[in-house]
Amino acid sequence: KNQVEQSPQSLIILEGKNCTLQCNYTVSPFSNLRWYKQDTGRGPVSLTIMTFSENTKSNGRYTATLDADTKQSSLHITASQLSDSASYICVVSRGGGADGLTFGKGTHLIIQP
Amino acid sequence: ETGVTQTPRHLVMGMTNKKSLKCEQHLGHNAMYWYKQSAKKPLELMFVYSLEERVENNSVPSRFSPECPNSSHLFLHLHTLQPEDSALYLCASSQDHGQQETQYFGPGTRLLVL
Repeated sequence: KNQVEQSPQSLIILEGKNCTLQCNYTVSPFSNLRWYKQDTGRGPVSLTIMTFSENTKSNGRYTATLDADTKQSSLHITASQLSDSASYICVVSRGGGADGLTFGKGTHLIIQP
Repeated sequence: ETGVTQTPRHLVMGMTNKKSLKCEQHLGHNAMYWYKQSAKKPLELMFVYSLEERVENNSVPSRFSPECPNSSHLFLHLHTLQPEDSALYLCASSQDHGQQETQYFGPGTRLLVL
């Protein structure tokens, strides 16, 4: 069964600290993995996308890693800011159209001042 | 947000009501999507339109009826909903309907069914 598991479910850290969010998947075949950020009251916004051959991708203070052998990905946030408070959703594609996407439940991140 | 807009942002309806959700994209995209997002559940794909033609056939109850009159507009018509249909309904668009396409989401309509 195609599944995407994210951990932790929720996380609270102090402003300025770093954190790492995890995504494990069993989706097969694998086409790409994407991380989305969803602010409260907003739709998700794409942060990074990685294909099989890519093992790291950065977008500002966000760095995503991918280990296609172990089927794991992480999203590292450096020097967190209050605006980083959001849900972070991992999405894995097995190709084809939108029905080839498997979404994780997300990690709810809270940055405290 | 001028990319993908959704109206209304909030909606409360009774189980016997009929209402419609509207989505408009200003990005010149060819594909549009409806998703349902319930608390503590992953996003669920409901409908996909590409070039105004419905291309996905997910198992969605018939009380949800999509309409795509042109490539910029997408509607979700609701009738005789159940309380478990309360959720955030997200519309998205992408340049084309493909695996590497980035989907751009609207802010969603928060629906409460009483």
